[in-house]
Amino acid sequence: AAGVIQSPRHLIKEKRETATLKCYPIPRHDTVYWYQQGPGQDPQFLISFYEKMQSDKGSIPDRFSAQQFSDYHSELNMSSLELGDSALYFCASSLGTGSHGYTFGSGTRLTVV
Amino acid sequence: AQTVTQSQPEMSVQEAETVTLSCTYDTSESNYYLFWYKQPPSRQMILVIRQEAYKQQNATENRFSVNFQKAAKSFSLKISDSQLGDTAMYFCAFNQGGSEKLVFGKGTKLTVNP
Repeated sequence: AAGVIQSPRHLIKEKRETATLKCYPIPRHDTVYWYQQGPGQDPQFLISFYEKMQSDKGSIPDRFSAQQFSDYHSELNMSSLELGDSALYFCASSLGTGSHGYTFGSGTRLTVV
Repeated sequence: AQTVTQSQPEMSVQEAETVTLSCTYDTSESNYYLFWYKQPPSRQMILVIRQEAYKQQNATENRFSVNFQKAAKSFSLKISDSQLGDTAMYFCAFNQGGSEKLVFGKGTKLTVNP
């Protein structure tokens, strides 16, 4: 079965650079979520999109932005990267709300040096 | 705001034995959903089991079952016949009905020993 695809798997950036993470949800899933998981931490909700519109927002820094495109894939853009942005970034998708549980992608490991 | 607490940072169990991971949560809502996710060293987050708050019957998925105590706001995960492949970080998560986001606990690192 198709899963949530994230790219790239690993990314190394320098401070103050920009990074773009991509997410391709499961076909027919209409909701996409982004989570940030710091080292040894639990995942923290960043933002979600339902039918290409931002539907909820969590602790996402102003330096970050995201959008969902007409083909339902989503991109998380991070600018002016800081060392503290180093984390695992998960994308997940679901059909409707999160009440049925998400399907997560394998994550993108971002390292800021 | 909802909070999820996992009081056991680490646990270990012998292969083939049974282990129970604890989770408590705090909410004033009546319509919500609870989940256990597994994160093995491969780092993929995998849904293990889901419980609907309005259902009294405890959810079961093969060797995984929950003990859902709504009044006590407790949601523990029991793993029977533990296998080496069960070694992973286990996260308890809460979803308020109608909401999209999941609130996670801090996780319990489970090691299954041969």
